[in-house]
Amino acid sequence: DVKVTQSSRYLVKRTGEKVFLECVQDMDHENMFWYRQDPGLGLRLIYFSYDVKMKEKGDIPEGYSVSREKKERFSLILESASTNQTSMYLCASQRGSQPQHFGDGTRLSIL
Amino acid sequence: AQSVTQLDSQVPVFEEAPVELRCNYSSSVSVYLFWYVQYPNQGLQLLLKYLSGSTLVKGINGFEAEFNKSQTSFHLRKPSVHISDTAEYFCATYSSGGSYIPTFGRGTSLIVHP
Repeated sequence: DVKVTQSSRYLVKRTGEKVFLECVQDMDHENMFWYRQDPGLGLRLIYFSYDVKMKEKGDIPEGYSVSREKKERFSLILESASTNQTSMYLCASQRGSQPQHFGDGTRLSIL
Repeated sequence: AQSVTQLDSQVPVFEEAPVELRCNYSSSVSVYLFWYVQYPNQGLQLLLKYLSGSTLVKGINGFEAEFNKSQTSFHLRKPSVHISDTAEYFCATYSSGGSYIPTFGRGTSLIVHP
């Protein structure tokens, strides 16, 4: 069965820290995505990647960066965490035009 | 740019009653349409998808949706809901032949009361 694994379910960090959120998929999918989810706002796309070492900005990339050194792994980086980045972060992977598969999410709190 | 409108942010319903969650999309080209469900503290799980063919699509857990091109709608229905159906539901779409990056609606919270 398809599996997208996010390294942490819950994470608490301090403002100014550099934060890494990791996502691994075992389906050999080309496309991977990072979203944040906030109440009443639905899912907002931060970054996505079509291939190794490729990245594209989504709708809200400010304050974030990404890394894709291997096909199965897509990392989201908060360079200097701020309280307004407290949110639920969802990773997804996709093959071509097929539906996305999602991880269980990381609930990140920045104090 | 495409958009997806989920007309109800919250739908309360009693157990065993029927339910319809509404979704409208804007697009002038052929589209793919999806419904996802998110249970508390989990990621999104695909309920059903419309890619082409029959306009009535059946999904998991007894849900179905009907693609209506003239009304640009893709409403989700279930004839009899259970307490376990309490969750957030998201409608999503992208154009066939496009980038295949979905546009999501803001979600509808289905609350099933005993």
